[in-house]
Amino acid sequence: DVKVTQSSRYLVKRTGEKVFLECVQDMDHENMFWYRQDPGLGLRLIYFSYDVKMKEKGDIPEGYSVSREKKERFSLILESASTNQTSMYLCASSYTVSGQGEKDTQYFGPGTRLTVL
Amino acid sequence: QKEVEQNSGPLSVPEGAIASLNCTYSDRVSQSFFWYRQYSGKSPELIMSIYSNGDKEDGRFTAQLNKASQYVSLLIRDSQPSDSATYLCAVTRGMDSNYQLIWGAGTKLIIKP
Repeated sequence: DVKVTQSSRYLVKRTGEKVFLECVQDMDHENMFWYRQDPGLGLRLIYFSYDVKMKEKGDIPEGYSVSREKKERFSLILESASTNQTSMYLCASSYTVSGQGEKDTQYFGPGTRLTVL
Repeated sequence: QKEVEQNSGPLSVPEGAIASLNCTYSDRVSQSFFWYRQYSGKSPELIMSIYSNGDKEDGRFTAQLNKASQYVSLLIRDSQPSDSATYLCAVTRGMDSNYQLIWGAGTKLIIKP
C-alpha cells in the first residue's frame, strides 16, 4: 500500500511566523503535490514537483514556497503566515502525470489542519 | 463557470437504495476521471477511476463517463451508512497544464438507516 505521511495533524501558529509542513511518501513516486482545502472551494493546487529539485506553481502559489531535496520528501513553506492561510493542507503523490491511466492516481496523506492566529 | 461542477448536497438516500452522484466538467481535452471519497476530518481516498466512455463497475460502485456530454457519474448500489461521506470528482487538465487534476467541491452524501 502507498503510504504518505505528513509531519503534523494539527498546527497552531502566529501571524508572521515561518511555517514548515513536511510530507514523505514511501512508494518511489515521481510526483508530489501540495493542496489546500477550504469549505465550498474543493482542493486547490499550491505547488507540485515532478522530480527532485523541480517544482511548478499550481493555482494559488502566492505566499508559499516548496522544497524537494529528496525524492520521497516534499516540504511546503509559509514564509510569513497570515490568517488567510488557515486551512487544511493535503499532500499527495502519484507515479505519473500523463493524463491517462491508473498511474496518475494521487494518494493523499492524512492532512495538516493549520490555524494561524 | 467552474471547471468541475458538483451538486454540494447534501444528498440523502435511504439505506439499501442506489445513490447517484454527478459531475460535469468544462475542458474537452480531459482524459482521466476520478472519484474520491472523503470522510469528515479525513483525507480523500480513491474510489474509482475511468478513462473511456461507458460504464466501469467495481463491487457496489459504478462509474459512468460520457465525454460528448462532459459528464461523469458515480452510482453506489445497496447504499450503507458507511457510505456517508463527501464524494469528490477530479478531472485531468490537458498537456498545457501538465495534466494536473481539477477538483470539484464535492457532494455530501447521507445514507439514512
